Amino acid sequence: GAGVSQSPRYKVAKRGRDVALRCDSISGHVTLYWYRQTLGQGSEVLTYSQSDAQRDKSGRPSGRFSAERPERSVSTLKIQRTEQGDSAVYLCASSFSDGGTGGYTFGSGTRLTVV
Amino acid sequence: QQQVKQSPQSLIVQKGGISIINCAYENTAFDYFPWYQQFPGKGPALLIAIRPDVSEKKEGRFTISFNKSAKQFSLHIMDSQPGDSATYFCAASIEETSGSRLTFGEGTQLTVNP
Repeated sequence: GAGVSQSPRYKVAKRGRDVALRCDSISGHVTLYWYRQTLGQGSEVLTYSQSDAQRDKSGRPSGRFSAERPERSVSTLKIQRTEQGDSAVYLCASSFSDGGTGGYTFGSGTRLTVV
Repeated sequence: QQQVKQSPQSLIVQKGGISIINCAYENTAFDYFPWYQQFPGKGPALLIAIRPDVSEKKEGRFTISFNKSAKQFSLHIMDSQPGDSATYFCAASIEETSGSRLTFGEGTQLTVNP
């Protein structure tokens, strides 16, 4: 595709439930990141994966957050036992490089509200 | 621990004025400093970036000034336009083989009044 696509755009979850957020990255991009963006606090990386790794490397916070990469250009962020503090915008970004600093493309995000 | 601090949190500028956003970092290993522009409902988009071997980079109306000794860098938007109204994030990362993760500042909401 032409860009990074995330779904759903909005998600409301009851506290304690598990949620799954999807990211379709750009074909050919090898590194995929999940960031959490909170108003006034910027964005923090949650997890990322490189190349064909199916399991992501956890960033912060760990434990309840994990990501699967069933296909090279698809990732699913899973949040277990959601808490109200998990309410935020979750951004997916992909990069054409395995390392290095160039070529990040972000999706439009999924806004998660935990009630 | 906030490794990249950004200020101000919000900024209001008149059309034609200069918008200045500042960032300070702690980790001297950072070697890449991008600025991202984000419009409501959209993801951040790379605006301009600099590496620490230069003190200034200019692209059109956007300029990054970099002060390595002070561990500070700033974004200047010349001749600010209402279309520049957005949230701006500074970021920093380290080029490494295991995937370079961006460390973001808190963001600055810029409003340019007509």
